[in-house]
Amino acid sequence: NAGVTQTPKFQVLKTGQSMTLQCAQDMNHEYMSWYRQDPGMGLRLIHYSVGAGITDQGEVPNGYNVSRSTTEDFPLRLLSAAPSQTSVYFCASRGRDRGQSEAFFGQGTRLTVV
Amino acid sequence: GESVGLHLPTLSVQEGDNSIINCAYSNSASDYFIWYKQESGKGPQFIIDIRSNMDKRQGQRVTVLLNKTVKHLSLQIAATQPGDSAVYFCAEDVTGNQFYFGTGTSLTVIP
Repeated sequence: NAGVTQTPKFQVLKTGQSMTLQCAQDMNHEYMSWYRQDPGMGLRLIHYSVGAGITDQGEVPNGYNVSRSTTEDFPLRLLSAAPSQTSVYFCASRGRDRGQSEAFFGQGTRLTVV
Repeated sequence: GESVGLHLPTLSVQEGDNSIINCAYSNSASDYFIWYKQESGKGPQFIIDIRSNMDKRQGQRVTVLLNKTVKHLSLQIAATQPGDSAVYFCAEDVTGNQFYFGTGTSLTVIP
């Protein structure tokens, strides 16, 4: 059981470049979300999805786009990377019933924008 | 946004002692709380959760206490082991879809 898989693990971008961070889960979870983690800031929610075709903004959505065409995949797109987006990005998923379905996190993608 | 804070950024304990990690939250409407453990280079790992209609929940070597009167959450780890060294986060859930995380407490276990 792979759980939540994020790719790539590391990425360096130049300012203005675009890229997509991939996230896939094989647990048939309905809820998926993206967080960024900066030193001393904890994890902050970027975007989340409660099911295929449904997405919504979290705490810090600016500069990021998401889509959810399938239950399994929830990619995060950076259209024009900025140095302020240098961070570690985590994808998470969980089932419908909180408290009965723990949230699983991927191993993270460390992104550096130069 | 929500404010979830931790009282101590770092904590060092002797192996075998009990550890207590504290967390304050600001939204009285939060009705679900989770503790996560994050080891270096890894994603957060679920430890234990608690709903607001409870004031205590126990797991294996861990206990979470919730005091809604003062909006305080704590994680107690019994007989702390070197493998418990990590950063611990509390998170609160208000809407059912969005979790707000604290900044984390770094626990170091001294052998």
